[in-house]
Amino acid sequence: NAGVTQTPKFQVLKTGQSMTLQCAQDMNHNSMYWYRQDPGMGLRLIYYSASEGTTDKGEVPNGYNVSRLNKREFSLRLESAAPSQTSVYFCASSGRTGHLPGYTFGSGTRLTVV
Amino acid sequence: AQKITQTQPGMFVQEKEAVTLDCTYDTSDQSYGLFWYKQPSSGEMIFLIYQGSYDEQNATEGRYSLNFQKARKSANLVISASQLGDSAMYFCAMRTYNQGGKLIFGQGTELSVKP
Repeated sequence: NAGVTQTPKFQVLKTGQSMTLQCAQDMNHNSMYWYRQDPGMGLRLIYYSASEGTTDKGEVPNGYNVSRLNKREFSLRLESAAPSQTSVYFCASSGRTGHLPGYTFGSGTRLTVV
Repeated sequence: AQKITQTQPGMFVQEKEAVTLDCTYDTSDQSYGLFWYKQPSSGEMIFLIYQGSYDEQNATEGRYSLNFQKARKSANLVISASQLGDSAMYFCAMRTYNQGGKLIFGQGTELSVKP
């Protein structure tokens, strides 16, 4: 099925460890996004990529880096994980769905930093 | 700065009744889009309804309708004939047409439907 695939679905890290969250979409969308969701809060934008080869900071970029590897893939890297980065991470892509602008979200990665 | 505000952290509604979830937004852009998403306890984000800033008619999708009042900058979601399966978090979001078309989300409203 067409959509956004995120891996892994769950991860536990120790403080200071690094990891990369992977995201791939097969809808030929130009724009891709990484969000984090904390309890009681909406989704907050970490980084986005308006097109292949470009990336820009969102609302909460500190502690993260991203790579837009190609049109399909957009990865999020935590270089030195901190407990404050415990969250649920969503990747999304956007493009037109019929006559409407549409966003497709991955199923999320639940990350715990201990 | 663009901002979405949802002032109802939690709401209860009786099954089969209608409920309105509030959303106000702030933007200086003339062209924008407003979305509502449902997030059940399983965690996925489910698109419900969309309203463009230039759309003259309020959007409707089945039991969902969006009460768009542009002058008041409000985009309330109305769910008619609530069902137990409507219990979930609901997020209002706004799309900007610059800066990569990113979505800005409100804090969400947790809706509980009582039998």
